Amino acid sequence: DQQVKQNSPSLSVQEGRISILNCDYTNSMFDYFLWYKKYPAEGPTFLISISSIKDKNEDGRFTVFLNKSAKHLSLHIVPSQPGDSAVYFCAASAGGAQKLVFGQGTRLTINP
Amino acid sequence: GAGVSQTPSNKVTEKGKYVELRCDPISGHTALYWYRQSLGQGPEFLIYFQGTGAADDSGLPNDRFFAVRPEGSVSTLKIQRTERGDSAVYLCASSPDGSNYGYTFGSGTRLTVV
Repeated sequence: DQQVKQNSPSLSVQEGRISILNCDYTNSMFDYFLWYKKYPAEGPTFLISISSIKDKNEDGRFTVFLNKSAKHLSLHIVPSQPGDSAVYFCAASAGGAQKLVFGQGTRLTINP
Repeated sequence: GAGVSQTPSNKVTEKGKYVELRCDPISGHTALYWYRQSLGQGPEFLIYFQGTGAADDSGLPNDRFFAVRPEGSVSTLKIQRTERGDSAVYLCASSPDGSNYGYTFGSGTRLTVV
């Protein structure tokens, strides 16, 4: 029962262009969503989050969009840089619960 | 410390053996979390501590898994009678106040059961 799904295992984008990573969820109780970035041999690093009371949150080059009716969120990175190459995980929590439910991850490769 | 420290970074053990994985959270962080990441998957929640007590252990897969945090700082994840299916990266994270607003992960312990 995969409650958080990232259907694209990998994505390749040219440097300077926009990267769009997608995430779908099935549990309507989820009310807080996060994106993490992971480099090899390191733990995931928090990137950006959004509460269900919002539909957009922006932090520098990173913007997360939430579509509650579609149970879908996306992470936009613009412009993409080589250092953005990593695995990106979306995660969700419900009702203030401390545990996060993660998707399977999307490996983003930024090509020069 | 500056970050969440996990030791050992790698552990190879034989099937049926007992292992302990250690996590040193960021100093002063009251909340501590254990996750497990299998190959090709995202991290999967195991247990959450607030202070010394396990506030949520709903993710522990069975009674072979146990975790402690006796003084509210360092935590140890203990796995008895290891099985090959226990092979994964075990991640620890901490946060200052128990909010899940982007807690800090360690680099993990890669456990291989042969």
